[in-house]
Amino acid sequence: DSGVTQTPKHLITATGQRVTLRCSPRSGDLSVYWYQQSLDQGLQFLIQYYNGEERAKGNILERFSAQQFPDLHSELNLSSLELGDSALYFCASGGSSWDNEQFFGPGTRLTVL
Amino acid sequence: GQNIDQPTEMTATEGAIVQINCTYQTSGFNGLFWYQQHAGEAPTFLSYNVLDGLEEKGRFSSFLSRSKGYSYLLLKELQMKDSASYLCAGHRDDKIIFGKGTRLHILP
Repeated sequence: DSGVTQTPKHLITATGQRVTLRCSPRSGDLSVYWYQQSLDQGLQFLIQYYNGEERAKGNILERFSAQQFPDLHSELNLSSLELGDSALYFCASGGSSWDNEQFFGPGTRLTVL
Repeated sequence: GQNIDQPTEMTATEGAIVQINCTYQTSGFNGLFWYQQHAGEAPTFLSYNVLDGLEEKGRFSSFLSRSKGYSYLLLKELQMKDSASYLCAGHRDDKIIFGKGTRLHILP
């Protein structure tokens, strides 16, 4: 158990809908990272938040957004969902620096029908 | 992955040593990650190399050559539980770019 929690574990929805994925980092970790993993694209870095502020941005679509709240939990919002958004979404937490170990949550499996 | 290359699959024998190579584009490069991912599970951080040279952590070691854009992950005394995918990822311009991963099969 990494200490990072993600909810829900599974999510099934339809094209055009909007969903919110939630992540609670390990106690003491100020950074939250979001990743998407699909069979064809592999693992992709989406975005990083540090202590409530966006710090780094990867291959995140404009239809996707994220935020980190004062209690440090984070939410990833996915809107206007397409079939290709079906994937595993991982959250990881870590310290202030990139060379700090990142601890991954169990992931949320999103299926868009 | 974008400009991160690693072999798709490798096979090795229990108790042996295996080296998984990774090459990357050096422009804007900050450091290199290695992750382990068992099927159906989340990735696990193995290492992050910034400086040239070898870093050892128990049975696993990671090597980096910044000038050559080359890294490898060395696994010693292989165990069946080491059967997994190993992901190389470059840290560049505050982004992480992953390779497709190397699926390692361990034979008894």
